Amino acid sequence: EVQLVESGGGLVKPGGSLRLSCAASGFTFSSYSMNWVRQAPGKGLEWVSSISSSSSYIYYADSVKGRFTISRDNAKNSLYLQMNSLRAEDTAVYYCARDPGPTGDHCDYWGQGTLVTVSS
Amino acid sequence: SYVLTQPPSVSVAPGQTARITCGGNNIGSKSVHWYQQKPGQAPVLVVYDDSDRPSGIPERFSGSNSGNTATLTISRVEAGDEADYYCQVWDSSSDHPGVFGGGTKLTVL
Repeated sequence: EVQLVESGGGLVKPGGSLRLSCAASGFTFSSYSMNWVRQAPGKGLEWVSSISSSSSYIYYADSVKGRFTISRDNAKNSLYLQMNSLRAEDTAVYYCARDPGPTGDHCDYWGQGTLVTVSS
Repeated sequence: SYVLTQPPSVSVAPGQTARITCGGNNIGSKSVHWYQQKPGQAPVLVVYDDSDRPSGIPERFSGSNSGNTATLTISRVEAGDEADYYCQVWDSSSDHPGVFGGGTKLTVL
């Protein structure tokens, strides 16, 4: 069974940093691209970032480029999102999702999400 | 950047057919994926590559894509289908290729 478990969310002040993690199990993690998708309270889904299986291809939404860094450790079956210079508008539930595409395509399995709140 | 446009809401009576549209410039040339999200839950993929269904998704869910509009069709709608639905494409020509539509709230009357 595919499982994705996010962690690392919490309350952080504007300008602060946070590192999200996503622990994957039930599939060969090193064979799949991975995505981060977020959802602000009461709002729709927003794609944040994608990383290919070998980390050769990395993409970011304009809203986070230069502030967020996606990475992965295939030996640890883990996906990460380093978030710096956080703003109030980054407040959201952050989901990690598996992607069957070679460099990105869609999300076939999702975690339950971790809440990030940016507030003073 | 590529934009996907969905109607904010669609209402349908039980047993009827719901159609949720997703508009985009020449979207027929792209693969469209659809997600269902119920309150307090993570999204679930219900249709991928325009019209394919993941295992476990009822045949009542189908998709089509042509021209400037993709459509998610839900036949014989049930109360349990009430949810938000999002379309999504991967715009491979872009530096920020992941794109979601704004979402459609499906209400079962």
